[in-house]
Amino acid sequence: GQQVQQSPASLVLQEGENAELQCNFSSTATQLQWFYQSPGGSLVSLLSNPSGTKHTGRLTSTTVTKERRSSLHISSSQTTDSGTYLCAIDNYNQGKLIFGQGTKLSIKP
Amino acid sequence: NAGVIQTPRHKVTGKGQEATLWCEPISGHSAVFWYRQTIVQGLEFLTYFRNQAPIDDSGMPKERFSAQMPNQSHSTLKIQSTQPQDSAVYLCASSVWGGQDTQYFGPGTRLLVL
Repeated sequence: GQQVQQSPASLVLQEGENAELQCNFSSTATQLQWFYQSPGGSLVSLLSNPSGTKHTGRLTSTTVTKERRSSLHISSSQTTDSGTYLCAIDNYNQGKLIFGQGTKLSIKP
Repeated sequence: NAGVIQTPRHKVTGKGQEATLWCEPISGHSAVFWYRQTIVQGLEFLTYFRNQAPIDDSGMPKERFSAQMPNQSHSTLKIQSTQPQDSAVYLCASSVWGGQDTQYFGPGTRLLVL
């Protein structure tokens, strides 16, 4: 089965609402990264968070390593936040990232 | 800092032809990664170099695909005898050392095999 599962697959919100994205993984993660990809665009690294809680701007990521899950919270969403959010892990410090299928976020004005 | 540079951004090739994709990592980064993205399979790891040496090629198709890193400033991914199923976005990433370091991705090369 898939090593990294993201939910929901898609999410539609009104501008100003908060978004909560989930990432569950089936194996030990020595690294966990959240990425943003705009339609047809590049992958942009948002946060590296293998454990604990990290904040940057309107983004908060919380990773509970023992429970093999991570979340990405986007506060006060904006239309420019629309795109696909990808979670990726590295097993046992191997270097290569294993990606989830992503959550497609749409923010309506 | 220019970020990871990939060329060409788009490539259209006929079935059976060869395609060579180029990647220039961020200056000072020792680790270079190649990934492939398709709608069906998502993002998949292909291969990884550190200090120009191949570290892990477990994601590379056994036939027709090869990658090299002849110097610290560029890596190439070559696909021989391209097939329609090779159509994908090929992404290159670099990090300071590999392992747990944050990976920074280039814009990708969109390959279309007709």
